[in-house]
Amino acid sequence: DAKTTQPNSMESNEEEPVHLPCNHSTISGTDYIHWYRQLPSQGPEYVIHGLTSNVNNRMASLAIAEDRKSSTLILHRATLRDAAVYYCILSDPLNFGNEKLTFGTGTRLTIIP
Amino acid sequence: NAGVTQTPKFQVLKTGQSMTLQCAQDMNHEYMSWYRQDPGMGLRLIHYSVGAGITDQGEVPNGYNVSRSTTEDFPLRLLSAAPSQTSVYFCASSSGTVQNQPQHFGDGTRLSIL
Repeated sequence: DAKTTQPNSMESNEEEPVHLPCNHSTISGTDYIHWYRQLPSQGPEYVIHGLTSNVNNRMASLAIAEDRKSSTLILHRATLRDAAVYYCILSDPLNFGNEKLTFGTGTRLTIIP
Repeated sequence: NAGVTQTPKFQVLKTGQSMTLQCAQDMNHEYMSWYRQDPGMGLRLIHYSVGAGITDQGEVPNGYNVSRSTTEDFPLRLLSAAPSQTSVYFCASSSGTVQNQPQHFGDGTRLSIL
């Protein structure tokens, strides 16, 4: 499986945008890029996923580099509730029978009031 | 919306005891999975199911059994609890393969084995 690299931790001020980076230089052409987050004492929560084009939903935006070797999760206006561990995960739908998403250690995001 | 419901939320067992962790989803999802999460580590897949009557092993299946008799339920059984199974257990479901469909997670069962 292709690996991802994320910073261990980041801080951001409340009500400001947050850009969470993820490097995946060995990504294959069919790998999807997923982002999940895990709030304290809760299960992981799906945030967004994409393949090639930038994606937007009510929670966040996903900006994918043109060469797909990196991506950025954008929280447009951080709130205290966004403090969580954010996981960047690659997956390949052509990897038949592999129903495992590999959650690494992620980026711990701290929001400063 | 209930989503994925896990019971119990907390449990303490003695070594050698058995128990079943319950997981139910009300989204009519075909795919369901069990993960465990140990302190400072990512989630590790224990078992998964791609539909009723079908189960398969993940990366850490030893000591656990699963069955999938209905679409809604996917219980995880600990056969003979060991201290190494102290962990937080998460159940998840998705409408299709996790490789390109969002997974929905429960809030977890925190299990301690003494």
